[in-house]
Amino acid sequence: DIQMTQSPSTLSASVGDRVTITCRASQSISSWLAWYQQKPGKAPKLLIFKASTLESGVPSRFSGSGSGTEFTLTISSLQPDDFAIYYCQQYNTYWTFGQGTKVEIK
Amino acid sequence: EVQLLESGGDLVQPGGSLRLSCAASGFTFSLYAMSWVRQAPGKGLEWVSAISGSGGSPFYADSVKGRFTISRDDSKNTLYLQMNNLRAEDTAVYYCAKSTGPVTNWFDPWGQGTLVTVSS
Repeated sequence: DIQMTQSPSTLSASVGDRVTITCRASQSISSWLAWYQQKPGKAPKLLIFKASTLESGVPSRFSGSGSGTEFTLTISSLQPDDFAIYYCQQYNTYWTFGQGTKVEIK
Repeated sequence: EVQLLESGGDLVQPGGSLRLSCAASGFTFSLYAMSWVRQAPGKGLEWVSAISGSGGSPFYADSVKGRFTISRDDSKNTLYLQMNNLRAEDTAVYYCAKSTGPVTNWFDPWGQGTLVTVSS
């Protein structure tokens, strides 16, 4: 099974900060990685697929990069609406999620 | 607009059974793989099961293999999850999610979820 490890688990940041979340796969998954945002009591929302392709309607301050086993999600300038939990997901072999990164207000 | 609406969540005793449904609309249901993903209270996301489009090959996480059965009725645009021999650790919100292709792909969109509670 492919394991996905996110870091950090919690991130404290202020509005306007640049934020980076890392996701590592236990084996190469090429670029078969997606990122989701989840707010309390809501379903996850797709942000990025194929490691770096921004989903339609998602603000351009979100970006993704990486391939193989190491990936990053970057928020260039954190906005109040961005405080949430972020999950990476591999879909190279079945589907596996990272444990999540909570972005909280500093 | 693509919509997914789960139903069937309930309080059930350990060892009991439950069937979840996910009614889909706004897209050609038969062409897309569909998945169930669960989230235990205060925890992260766990993929549970998937079924391919048009043909319906099933896939299961090890944690539910042999207890859960995924199926689909393309004539009713509905996805199902039959859950047997339920355990306390199956307590979670269960989401259905549409794949963006016939088999393996990312998920978009997700339903609003249905809560399954396994407790005596």
